[in-house]
Amino acid sequence: SQQGEEDPQALSIQEGENATMNCSYKTSINNLQWYRQNSGRGLVHLILIRSNEREKHSGRLRVTLDTSKKSSSLLITASRAADTASYFCATDAGGAQKLVFGQGTRLTINP
Amino acid sequence: NAGVTQTPKFRVLKTGQSMTLLCAQDMNHEYMYWYRQDPGMGLRLIHYSVGEGTTAKGEVPDGYNVSRLKKQNFLLGLESAAPSQTSVYFCASTGYNEQFFGPGTRLTVL
Repeated sequence: SQQGEEDPQALSIQEGENATMNCSYKTSINNLQWYRQNSGRGLVHLILIRSNEREKHSGRLRVTLDTSKKSSSLLITASRAADTASYFCATDAGGAQKLVFGQGTRLTINP
Repeated sequence: NAGVTQTPKFRVLKTGQSMTLLCAQDMNHEYMYWYRQDPGMGLRLIHYSVGEGTTAKGEVPDGYNVSRLKKQNFLLGLESAAPSQTSVYFCASTGYNEQFFGPGTRLTVL
């Protein structure tokens, strides 16, 4: 079974707007990672947040982590058409750096 | 560096046929993984390896076997393909935390 549940499953916004995706998980984790997948491609790592961190930034990306609620959010600011993709959260709960993925959020940026 | 490569990119099998998917990485990573992705879903771990000569089962290992004879290669085998194994297969490797993914193999079993 998948550890992460993502919300919403699909999101469509206008270019320039901000996009927020949420991820919930079930067990204690070492870190939580976000990946992007363009249609028909492999996944690309975006950002990692450790269990002792609450917020992290990378360019237009902002990730928060609330371990008490077992949830994380990914914010993409000033969205662009090139941000159109599926976004997955993945949790590392320990052991061989295995990741458990959520089912993803499909983000569409409309010009 | 090529990163993580997978062969083949596409394959169509008939039920009962066998095949091997090859994953290669040139980043000297110890850990390698095989995932499958079904429509509208995230990735599920099939098997993984923590180093040359080691393999272990993931979440959905039934019907698959793997081998890691060389550090840079991780092979995924289907001994007797079933329609339920129609999926996109991704290989990944990591040195520390971040996983690097291959482009995927789209497999259809008729």
